[in-house]
Amino acid sequence: AQSVTQPDIHITVSEGASLELRCNYSYGATPYLFWYVQSPGQGLQLLLKYFSGDTLVQGIKGFEAEFKRSQSSFNLRKPSVHWSDAAEYFCAVANQAGTALIFGKGTTLSVSS
Amino acid sequence: DVKVTQSSRYLVKRTGEKVFLECVQDMDHENMFWYRQDPGLGLRLIYFSYDVKMKEKGDIPEGYSVSREKKERFSLILESASTNQTSMYLCASSRLSGPQHFGDGTRLSIL
Repeated sequence: AQSVTQPDIHITVSEGASLELRCNYSYGATPYLFWYVQSPGQGLQLLLKYFSGDTLVQGIKGFEAEFKRSQSSFNLRKPSVHWSDAAEYFCAVANQAGTALIFGKGTTLSVSS
Repeated sequence: DVKVTQSSRYLVKRTGEKVFLECVQDMDHENMFWYRQDPGLGLRLIYFSYDVKMKEKGDIPEGYSVSREKKERFSLILESASTNQTSMYLCASSRLSGPQHFGDGTRLSIL
């Protein structure tokens, strides 16, 4: 069965430091992978997506993610975190029909000054 | 930009009431989805629709129904609201094989 695991429930990073959020997936075929961000009280905003091609994907707000098939991972990175990046981050996998989206349980990012 | 609009940000209802949550998208997307989000459980799919009048059950459809009479509108119905349906409800839409775009959510409290 498809699944997504985000091993870290909560991460605290200093402002200006680099960030990496981990995501591992379980999916038999070529996955469609996504990262979403949710600010408190808001809906989810799409940060980036991987469908095929280049395994390093650039997204909005300076985020990037790297697809590693051998490790079944799709980790999210940012070189320098800003206080406004504090939010909850969700990794998700979809089938090619787009009729199902399986989410991880999320990682809450706190940014310290 | 894609706009997914949920009719209410906050809603308070009583047990046993019939509750309607409305969602409208303005991008002519084929797919529409309803999720609920609970602390520690993440997002779980309730129902989705890939066309007008078509619907498919998601992971947790019990106690819910949906209606899609027009392509742009997807309604979630709680037939007889119960306290365990207190939650954040998120609507999303997408093209057939595109990313999902979410509304701001409806925080529903059942008293």
